[in-house]
Amino acid sequence: DAGITQSPRHKVTETGTPVTLRCHQTENHRYMYWYRQDPGHGLRLIHYSYGVKDTDKGEVSDGYSVSRSKTEDFLLTLESATSSQTSVYFCAISESERGTSYNEQFFGPGTRLTVL
Amino acid sequence: AQSVTQLGSHVSVSEGALVLLRCNYSSSVPPYLFWYVQYPNQGLQLLLKYTTGATLVKGINGFEAEFKKSETSFHLTKPSAHMSDAAEYFCAVSEASDYKLSFGAGTTVTVRA
Repeated sequence: DAGITQSPRHKVTETGTPVTLRCHQTENHRYMYWYRQDPGHGLRLIHYSYGVKDTDKGEVSDGYSVSRSKTEDFLLTLESATSSQTSVYFCAISESERGTSYNEQFFGPGTRLTVL
Repeated sequence: AQSVTQLGSHVSVSEGALVLLRCNYSSSVPPYLFWYVQYPNQGLQLLLKYTTGATLVKGINGFEAEFKKSETSFHLTKPSAHMSDAAEYFCAVSEASDYKLSFGAGTTVTVRA
């Protein structure tokens, strides 16, 4: 199994509070991703990173920010949590190089976030 | 941009019966196609993938899928369902020029004894 951990695994917070989720990898993979999973929507990409300090938005990035100061860590921050951000969040990693590989992604165990 | 449609959000099969999960995609260029499985309270695990070459690909746990370009499909099958196949299955697509995946909405499989 790919060495990916997420913390915390479960969190309950209140509307308006900031929340940071952490993804840590031991694979030295270049690419990292944050997804949210909601019933009926599958997984939707929030943000992704293609290197240290290199990040870009996904399809559902509003209300989220990310940072990657080291290869192994990718942080997802909800600046002011809302009830619509209640979800399960997954981190994924990939070693894909553009145009040269298969974009196989490996997933972490997930973080269940509840915003009251 | 690519998109994925999984037909049927829930599939129920008897143990020993055929499992068939349907996936259709849209892509402007030749796609890379994936099936992932998610067991309860776990992350996603890769079942199989198609990149190039043979259009029938075999994966783990007895699953296989066939890429049909003319039908823009990548359906997942298993000849004989086992109780341990109960899970949620996701089809995903990416393009060779992109390193992002687009996922379908998922299909939940239940297996009846």
